[in-house]
Amino acid sequence: DTAVSQTPKYLVTQMGNDKSIKCEQNLGHDTMYWYKQDSKKFLKIMFSYNNKELIINETVPNRFSPKSPDKAHLNLHINSLELGDSAVYFCASIGEREGIHNEQFFGPGTRLTVL
Amino acid sequence: DQQVKQNSPSLSVQEGRISILNCDYTNSMFDYFLWYKKYPAEGPTFLISISSIKDKNEDGRFTVFLNKSAKHLSLHIVPSQPGDSAVYFCAASANYGGSQGNLIFGKGTKLSVKP
Repeated sequence: DTAVSQTPKYLVTQMGNDKSIKCEQNLGHDTMYWYKQDSKKFLKIMFSYNNKELIINETVPNRFSPKSPDKAHLNLHINSLELGDSAVYFCASIGEREGIHNEQFFGPGTRLTVL
Repeated sequence: DQQVKQNSPSLSVQEGRISILNCDYTNSMFDYFLWYKKYPAEGPTFLISISSIKDKNEDGRFTVFLNKSAKHLSLHIVPSQPGDSAVYFCAASANYGGSQGNLIFGKGTKLSVKP
């Protein structure tokens, strides 16, 4: 059973298009994140959602909008795609277990290529 | 402004020897540190963590050392195995005692363990 899943795994699209990436977690976690890993390999947080409320937005352009229909899902919508949006996008959820704090469980990533 | 730095982009080690991956941080508010391992085409997976109240945490072949005065931590893998070949990300968070904090990631170090 996949704990955090993302679809699609690969996404190739033209500049100016609108696209969505879906994320689902079956871990029962309350908080989910979207990260972007750019060409320089930095993993940077974009958004987090806690019980359907956006609690972080790290200076991401408003062309990007997270949508959470329920606690298990956090989808990422991107409008008017630009070349610089090409990156790998990771979804994650956060959980707590004894002795380990702030452990984030990542999805497999979605490689977005904007042509 | 990199708050978490992994200055070695790659490391090559012989099987059976020790692998030492280094990480430096600049933010003195960080109080919890994690190491993630990432295979190609997969999301990062949690490996080991340490809180700022400790200077060492061990889990099997993996040991993390924390030197707060130097703002430096390292991950030791002994003995290294070919299956350890992956990219290792160092991450840090603040507010360990409070709400779940953001994770700030380094750029990663690619470890290659040669048979």
